[in-house]
Amino acid sequence: AQKITQTQPGMFVQEKEAVTLDCTYDTSDPSYGLFWYKQPSSGEMIFLIYQGSYDQQNATEGRYSLNFQKARKSANLVISASQLGDSAMYFCAMREGDSSYKLIFGSGTRLLVRP
Amino acid sequence: DSGVTQTPKHLITATGQRVTLRCSPRSGDLSVYWYQQSLDQGLQFLIQYYNGEERAKGNILERFSAQQFPDLHSELNLSSLELGDSALYFCASSSSRGGTEAFFGQGTRLTVV
Repeated sequence: AQKITQTQPGMFVQEKEAVTLDCTYDTSDPSYGLFWYKQPSSGEMIFLIYQGSYDQQNATEGRYSLNFQKARKSANLVISASQLGDSAMYFCAMREGDSSYKLIFGSGTRLLVRP
Repeated sequence: DSGVTQTPKHLITATGQRVTLRCSPRSGDLSVYWYQQSLDQGLQFLIQYYNGEERAKGNILERFSAQQFPDLHSELNLSSLELGDSALYFCASSSSRGGTEAFFGQGTRLTVV
């Protein structure tokens, strides 16, 4: 069965430093997608980055990059040059196959950026 | 702004009541997904509709039902409400059955008292 594990309930990072949020996954489907979402205190879910299982290169979107290690089944999110506005909950999610957007979410990591 | 509109933003109701949550997807998006976010269960997929037809079902209770109308908006009906149904309910939409991203609405915060 699909499973997403985020082992860091909470993390601190100093402003302007980089931070890595961990995510491991488990699936038997060779085709899958991995997502990261940000949820600020206001509650909305903001899409950050996507990595497909067949993508050869790690995904990047501005200050966000996804460290995809397929053999280890990990998809860590790296945020460079942290900003105070990055303080939020971060969720890793997985979709099996490519015909649906049924996502399985991890339990989330709360990131707090210190000034 | 994701382009997905959910109404109402907040809803407070009593146990045993029935409520309807509404979602308007982004223009052109055919797929609508409903998710529930609660403190004890986290984020859970409930149900997906694609162009009016149910396509995938998750851990949706029998007291809950959904539909997608010809204009592609969707409604999630929650009946015989219990205290444990208090949660944030999200709607998301995407342009196809899959895709590389889906856009989430702001959510409807339901409080059952």
